Amino acid sequence: QLQLQESGPGLVKPSETLSLTCTVSGGSITTSTYYWGWIRQPPGKGLEWIGSIYYSGSTYYSPSLKSRVTISVDTSKNQFSLKLSSVTAADTAVYFCARHGRSSYDSSAYPADYWGQGTLVTVSS
Amino acid sequence: EIVMTQSPATLSVSPGERATLSCRASQSVSSNLAWYQQKPGQAPRLLFYGASIRATGIPARFSGSGSGTEFTLTISSLQSEDFAVYYCQQYNNWPLWTFGQGTKVEIK
Repeated sequence: QLQLQESGPGLVKPSETLSLTCTVSGGSITTSTYYWGWIRQPPGKGLEWIGSIYYSGSTYYSPSLKSRVTISVDTSKNQFSLKLSSVTAADTAVYFCARHGRSSYDSSAYPADYWGQGTLVTVSS
Repeated sequence: EIVMTQSPATLSVSPGERATLSCRASQSVSSNLAWYQQKPGQAPRLLFYGASIRATGIPARFSGSGSGTEFTLTISSLQSEDFAVYYCQQYNNWPLWTFGQGTKVEIK
């Protein structure tokens, strides 16, 4: 059974960098038919896609966050990570990592079928 | 950016009744539309992809339909475990995913 688990600080100061890691167990992050993504949800609000990565290192980011986001992968540890710089209170949210399908035909993406439980990150001094 | 609009924001339904949720895209997304269910304190759960294809383990009382810009999620007979928030998501415009703002299905 595939499992994803987010980890990282629950409190980040304004202007600093938020860093989270997602550890994948029960399956390999190097499977060619999947992307690995980050989605966030501010308290009481809807879902926002942040970005995704393929095991080769190819990244895809939301245009609204692209200037502040870096997603990386460590295949040796079966992990992928999120860094979001210059955070403000508006970045307070539950951050989810997830697996989603990848088309071998045109590299397009399919919806997320496995999710981590999510981790709340609060931006506050 | 494709904007996804869900209606209504809140749907009050009695157990056993039918619930119909709508999702509209600002431009065609073909059938590249997914539905998720989210309960408090939990991650979203994939219900449908391809607008009408049930994900693994989703009961038959759930059905999805639509294409282009208009989509519907129907729950034929609401069970207690179905009261939750439902989100639609387009994945036609990769690499840019967008979600609807959600419809909360609450007990009447």
